[in-house]
Amino acid sequence: QVQLQESGPGLVKPSETLSLTCTVSGYSISSGYYWGWIRQPPGKGLEWIGSIYHSGSTYYNPSLKSRVTISVDTSKNQFSLKLSSVTAADTAVYYCARDWFGEYMDVWGKGTTVTVSS
Amino acid sequence: EIVLTQSPGTLSLSPGERATLSCRASQSVSSSYLAWYQQKPGQAPRLLIYGASSRATGIPDRFSGSGSGTDFTLTISRLEPEDFAVYYCQQYGSSPRITFGQGTRLEIK
Repeated sequence: QVQLQESGPGLVKPSETLSLTCTVSGYSISSGYYWGWIRQPPGKGLEWIGSIYHSGSTYYNPSLKSRVTISVDTSKNQFSLKLSSVTAADTAVYYCARDWFGEYMDVWGKGTTVTVSS
Repeated sequence: EIVLTQSPGTLSLSPGERATLSCRASQSVSSSYLAWYQQKPGQAPRLLIYGASSRATGIPDRFSGSGSGTDFTLTISRLEPEDFAVYYCQQYGSSPRITFGQGTRLEIK
């Protein structure tokens, strides 16, 4: 059974870089699929941030592209998100998910709350 | 950019009733690339429907999806108490690659 678990700091200061990691169990990232990040500000809807293939190929949301880096570490079966120059608007629950080539996200992590505040 | 507009914003129904949720796209979407999710408070979204009409693994058959082009529908034939939640549609396109609708809240009347 595939499971995903987000980890990282719950509090980030404005202008700093948000860094999260998603650890995948029950499936080898190297075997395929894209792996994505999605966020949800408090009381709002879902926003796709970006996705990465096991080979390292990435797709980013154009609205965030200038600040986002997604990377993969197949040896640890993890993929990571870095979001630079954060502001209060980046406060959200951040989810990682298995991305079926963009068509849908079929397995999700439970999410981690990140607050941007000094 | 394809924008997905969901309606209504909030739907108030009673258990046992039929729910019809709409997702309208600003441009034509391939049916293969339209999905629906359910999200309960404090939980991650759960995939319900992909390819506009295919149920995900373990999803009860009271959930069905239909539509094509710019108009898609999620139908819940007979509402169970656990079905009251927020529902999102999602499409796969060119840029951005993935977009979500703003959600429909299904609440108990």
